[in-house]
Amino acid sequence: QKEVEQDPGPLSVPEGAIVSLNCTYSNSAFQYFMWYRQYSRKGPELLMYTYSSGNKEDGRFTAQVDKSSKYISLFIRDSQPSDSATYLCAMSRGYQKVTFGTGTKLQVIP
Amino acid sequence: DVKVTQSSRYLVKRTGEKVFLECVQDMDHENMFWYRQDPGLGLRLIYFSYDVKMKEKGDIPEGYSVSREKKERFSLILESASTNQTSMYLCASSASQGAVGDTQYFGPGTRLTVL
Repeated sequence: QKEVEQDPGPLSVPEGAIVSLNCTYSNSAFQYFMWYRQYSRKGPELLMYTYSSGNKEDGRFTAQVDKSSKYISLFIRDSQPSDSATYLCAMSRGYQKVTFGTGTKLQVIP
Repeated sequence: DVKVTQSSRYLVKRTGEKVFLECVQDMDHENMFWYRQDPGLGLRLIYFSYDVKMKEKGDIPEGYSVSREKKERFSLILESASTNQTSMYLCASSASQGAVGDTQYFGPGTRLTVL
């Protein structure tokens, strides 16, 4: 069983939709949770970073962490075609290497 | 803006060749990482370095070695390339000593094909 599970998609939504991206994990020691966005033929870039449980909002993006369920989510409001990319969840125990999910490919259709 | 550059975007090599992948960052970051990215497997850590001349094995170090002679440069070496090393290779850097929560900045990647 992988430490981090992420549905690969692809996920296709119409422009303006609310998008929900999710990851589950098995290691209860993970403390730091991140979401990266990767455009085609580019390296990943950090979108959101949270520590422990709770919500964090940044513009159209909201990250949620539920440590009791070992479940993290990224919500994108008013999705735009420019949001079309692969979204990678990532997590770590702190002072250790980062474990990445396999990524979910998102397509926002105009 | 932090910039991480990688020496080649696309590379084609033959089985058994020695391959060098170079990575340079321009923000004086202490930490540098090499990953490979494969469909269905995601990003897997090959090696990382927390300081000049320091290196630590990641999850899949077999068949690879690294060199960090200068703070800004981290090289990945495939001693004898094999077809199962065909992959996208991504270099990353981050600022804080050992602090995982810090942002990792990635380069554009090198698509390596071994024939």
